[in-house]
Amino acid sequence: EPEVTQTPSHQVTQMGQEVILRCVPISNHLYFYWYRQILGQKVEFLVSFYNNEISEKSEIFDDQFSVERPDGSNFTLKIRSTKLEDSAMYFCASSRNREAGYTFGSGTRLTVV
Amino acid sequence: AQTVTQSQPEMSVQEAETVTLSCTYDTSESDYYLFWYKQPPSRQMILVIRQEAYKQQNATENRFSVNFQKAAKSFSLKISDSQLGDAAMYFCAYRFRLNYGGSQGNLIFGKGTKLSVKP
Repeated sequence: EPEVTQTPSHQVTQMGQEVILRCVPISNHLYFYWYRQILGQKVEFLVSFYNNEISEKSEIFDDQFSVERPDGSNFTLKIRSTKLEDSAMYFCASSRNREAGYTFGSGTRLTVV
Repeated sequence: AQTVTQSQPEMSVQEAETVTLSCTYDTSESDYYLFWYKQPPSRQMILVIRQEAYKQQNATENRFSVNFQKAAKSFSLKISDSQLGDAAMYFCAYRFRLNYGGSQGNLIFGKGTKLSVKP
C-alpha cells in the first residue's frame, strides 16, 4: 500500500536554528498538508498546498514557516528560527482530491532545546 | 466554527470485550465527513473508519463500527472483540465536504481518547 514518507523521524535542534522537515507524498496525490501535535495535545492544522501554492494556512503558520515542493516529489516544511514552543510532532499528509481521505506519514518529532 | 469534542480522556476495556468511544461535534454545515484515527505509541496517524454525513448507513470496517447520529451531532466508535493491538489514542475528526469559504476542507480533531486493553 502506498505510503507518505517523512524524514527524519526525530530531529533535535537548538533554539534559533532553521530546520527543514521533509515529506514524500503518495505519487498520484495532488493535495498536501502539514499538521502538528504538541505532546499531549490535539492535532492542529498548519497549512494545505495545491497546484504549487498554499491554499490555506492557520494562525499557527506565521512568517517563520514556509512550505515548498521543490522537485515534484518532495514536500518540505521549513521553520526559519525555531522556538522552544515549536517542539512537537509534525505530520505530513496527502490526498488524491478534496473528497478523499488523507494518508498521514509517520511524523517527525522535532525537539527544540 | 466547527468543533470536535471527545469527553472521555481515557477508557479501558478487557481483551475480547466491546468498547465504545464517544465523539460529538458542532457544525452548521449539512455535508461533511467524519473520521476516527488511531495513534499507537509509534505516533503514526492511522485511519480507522470514515463516514459521509449524507449517508444514513453507519460505516463498518471489520471489528470497528460507528453510530452516527446526525441530528444529535454524535459519532461514536465501537470496537468489538478488542485486541491488545487496539491500545492507542483514538482521535475523532471532522472535515466539511464542500469548498466552504475557500478552504480545502481541513481536518478538525478532538483531543483524543486513550484506550487501554487489559489482557
